[in-house]
Amino acid sequence: GENVEQHPSTLSVQEGDSAVIKCTYSDSASNYFPWYKQELGKGPQLIIDIRSNVGEKKDQRIAVTLNKTAKHFSLHITETQPEDSAVYFCAASIRIRQGSARQLTFGSGTQLTVLP
Amino acid sequence: GAGVSQSPRYKVAKRGQDVALRCDPISGHVSLFWYQQALGQGPEFLTYFQNEAQLDKSGLPSDRFFAERPEGSVSTLKIQRTQQEDSAVYLCASSRTGTDTQYFGPGTRLTVL
Repeated sequence: GENVEQHPSTLSVQEGDSAVIKCTYSDSASNYFPWYKQELGKGPQLIIDIRSNVGEKKDQRIAVTLNKTAKHFSLHITETQPEDSAVYFCAASIRIRQGSARQLTFGSGTQLTVLP
Repeated sequence: GAGVSQSPRYKVAKRGQDVALRCDPISGHVSLFWYQQALGQGPEFLTYFQNEAQLDKSGLPSDRFFAERPEGSVSTLKIQRTQQEDSAVYLCASSRTGTDTQYFGPGTRLTVL
């Protein structure tokens, strides 16, 4: 099955600096890569996603890059703010057949702390 | 609009008790997923429904775990004869179809004493 590794497990940055979180996946058939933000006591919230036919996607201060050859993808947050502090999870999924479910395999998470 | 809701938010059970966890997906969402999240870890897939049909239950850790979605809307995850290793947060997610974005509920934190 798919295996997703995520680094670093903890990351502290100064407010205004950039943060980068990296993930690698094992199954070359994976074709969808979402990133979730989870605040304490809440469920994961999708912040950005990328599909395997795209190399980069940006949404305001958040961007994701995908390198299919190396089987890794990264989350970039620029101009970090204290409210960005949370646990971030990457995930990968395979669509086995048209219309079937996307079973997500998650990384182990990164605790991001933005220091004011 | 209303998101995915789960109840109860917290559940404490004595070892050996049965528990039932409820998920109310976003209205109209065809697909429903259950995940288990151990402390400090990412969610792990348990099972998936498309409408009332359970199409994948490969992630259920044992036959003590049972899920149902009889009318294709609300789902219940039942754990029989709970064990300490069942302690975790149980997350429910729904999507319009199986290939769309999954929206997660707040989870139910289960503690087995």
